[in-house]
Amino acid sequence: DTGVSQDPRHKITKRGQNVTFRCDPISEHNRLYWYRQTLGQGPEFLTYFQNEAQLEKSRLLSDRFSAERPKGSFSTLEIQRTEQGDSAMYLCASSPSGGPTGELFFGEGSRLTVL
Amino acid sequence: GENVGLHLPTLSVQEGDNSIINCAYSNSASDYFIWYKQESGKGPQFIIDIRSNMDKRQGQRVTVLLNKTVKHLSLQIAATQPGDSAVYFCAENRNGATNKLIFGTGTLLAVQP
Repeated sequence: DTGVSQDPRHKITKRGQNVTFRCDPISEHNRLYWYRQTLGQGPEFLTYFQNEAQLEKSRLLSDRFSAERPKGSFSTLEIQRTEQGDSAMYLCASSPSGGPTGELFFGEGSRLTVL
Repeated sequence: GENVGLHLPTLSVQEGDNSIINCAYSNSASDYFIWYKQESGKGPQFIIDIRSNMDKRQGQRVTVLLNKTVKHLSLQIAATQPGDSAVYFCAENRNGATNKLIFGTGTLLAVQP
């Protein structure tokens, strides 16, 4: 399977713990996005990478959240001192570089439950 | 599934009928408007997009209509099948340089056999 893969698929943690999610985009895709989705809502943009550069961050991304894409390939999203409000599905997507398009390729997400 | 929320607008159709899912958008400057399908437990899947200078685009069994006057987007699915059951989201591409998408509220399509 050469799609976007995310790990872990499910994570249950206690409030105050740190968690890290990993995303492996489609190999030739330069662009990588993180979104968050809560029940019944559309995905909300968190951050965007062009290769290894983080070019945009949403105001939703508090200082407890950090994302990296060190070599321009896989990316990690870390949440420090988790809160119950962080419970959500964290989605990663990638796309090739090029002109405007609507097509992002999403992974199946990492579901976080904070107890 | 995670997207079967109590507050999701729901469209229930009979198998074989045509479905029309509607969406209102807010930003007139968006370059592209897009429809995504999300099945329970999965990530969103691209269906079709339309550039802002067009008013209609057809794909396989799907048609997207864009009415910029009233800021309205619709997705038509012909001969709806049980496999079409999912939550459908419209989205806007507000930045062609980054292709950052802003998603709207979803609509649950329930296909009755």
